[in-house]
Amino acid sequence: AQSVTQLGSHVSVSEGALVLLRCNYSSSVPPYLFWYVQYPNQGLQLLLKYTTGATLVKGINGFEAEFKKSETSFHLTKPSAHMSDAAEYFCAVTTGGGKLIFGQGTELSVKP
Amino acid sequence: DTEVTQTPKHLVMGMTNKKSLKCEQHMGHRAMYWYKQKAKKPPELMFVYSYEKLSINESVPSRFSPECPNSSLLNLHLHALQPEDSALYLCASSPPGQLQETQYFGPGTRLLVL
Repeated sequence: AQSVTQLGSHVSVSEGALVLLRCNYSSSVPPYLFWYVQYPNQGLQLLLKYTTGATLVKGINGFEAEFKKSETSFHLTKPSAHMSDAAEYFCAVTTGGGKLIFGQGTELSVKP
Repeated sequence: DTEVTQTPKHLVMGMTNKKSLKCEQHMGHRAMYWYKQKAKKPPELMFVYSYEKLSINESVPSRFSPECPNSSLLNLHLHALQPEDSALYLCASSPPGQLQETQYFGPGTRLLVL
């Protein structure tokens, strides 16, 4: 069975500071991993994904994530936060077949 | 065309009403999904259609009835809903392939049941 744990339901950073959102997964087979962002009153937007190959994945809006098999982690980072990054972020895992397993989400606040 | 569209954006209905939610994509995706999302929670999978056939039903009450008339269109028919069914309903689609792993989401329909 697969599962996803996002550490911290709420993260607050200052504008220009590093953003680090943590995600750990559990999977008995090689996983596919995703980060989605959800702005208020909107759907989910795919930020980035890891399927196979390079373990450092670059996404949209300056975000990136690194797949670390030994740590079963897929943390999301951005070097410099912008006010427009304030949103809910979901980490998700799948091994195929249509079932995405989501973490509980992390709300990112950005202070001016 | 690289997006999933959903109509309506908002819907208010009484418990005796019948209504439908619509989802469309023109990206050639062959799997489509319905999710329900409550506030401050992750989306919960309801149904999966693969090549226009229902492949997953996550034990959803029969007052929700999905329909996939063709590869581009997905409907969710609603009847005799309860106030606790009020939520954001999200549609998603994924490209053809063995694993269909990457899902692309629409903007959602916010449903309020009175």
